[in-house]
Amino acid sequence: AQKVTQAQTEISVVEKEDVTLDCVYETRDTTYYLFWYKQPPSGELVFLIRRNSFDEQNEISGRYSWNFQKSTSSFNFTITASQVVDSAVYFCALSEGNNDMRFGAGTRLTVKP
Amino acid sequence: DGGITQSPKYLFRKEGQNVTLSCEQNLNHDAMYWYRQDPGQGLRLIYYSQIVNDFQKGDIAEGYSVSREKKESFPLTVTSAQKNPTAFYLCASSAFAGNTIYFGEGSWLTVV
Repeated sequence: AQKVTQAQTEISVVEKEDVTLDCVYETRDTTYYLFWYKQPPSGELVFLIRRNSFDEQNEISGRYSWNFQKSTSSFNFTITASQVVDSAVYFCALSEGNNDMRFGAGTRLTVKP
Repeated sequence: DGGITQSPKYLFRKEGQNVTLSCEQNLNHDAMYWYRQDPGQGLRLIYYSQIVNDFQKGDIAEGYSVSREKKESFPLTVTSAQKNPTAFYLCASSAFAGNTIYFGEGSWLTVV
């Protein structure tokens, strides 16, 4: 069965610092999809990115970047020059193409001014 | 606006009562889901539905029931059989099974 591990329970940084959120996954399938979601204090989960297992190209979107490495089964998320508005809980998730999307336990990021 | 609407946002229930959480989507998505989130924890799948009039149990379906009579609607009933129902409930949908899941704003249920 697939599994997602986010070892960092909480991270605290000062504004403008760079921060990396780790995600390690386990799956036996060769085709799978990885996701990152942001959950601000309001509670709604906001979709950030979806990456399929055949595309290891790293992606950058503004201050956000994602590093996908199949060799280490990791899909890490970096925020550059963090801002207070980045404070949230971030979830990594794995889907094997069916309805069974597995979420990690989440990493609570606090960005202090 | 297109999206997923959950109601109510906050709900209090007395022990022994059934309550129903509403979820409506206007994204024309085939698949819909219910997740439960406990404080400081990740999401756990309660039920999901791929098409109208069909739904499947997730990891923690005991004490819950759902229906999918319309494509747009996927209500969740928390029954009195659910031993510890106080939690945050998230409804979600995707165009089809395995595609990106989008979430509603969630509903807080508290048993008093």
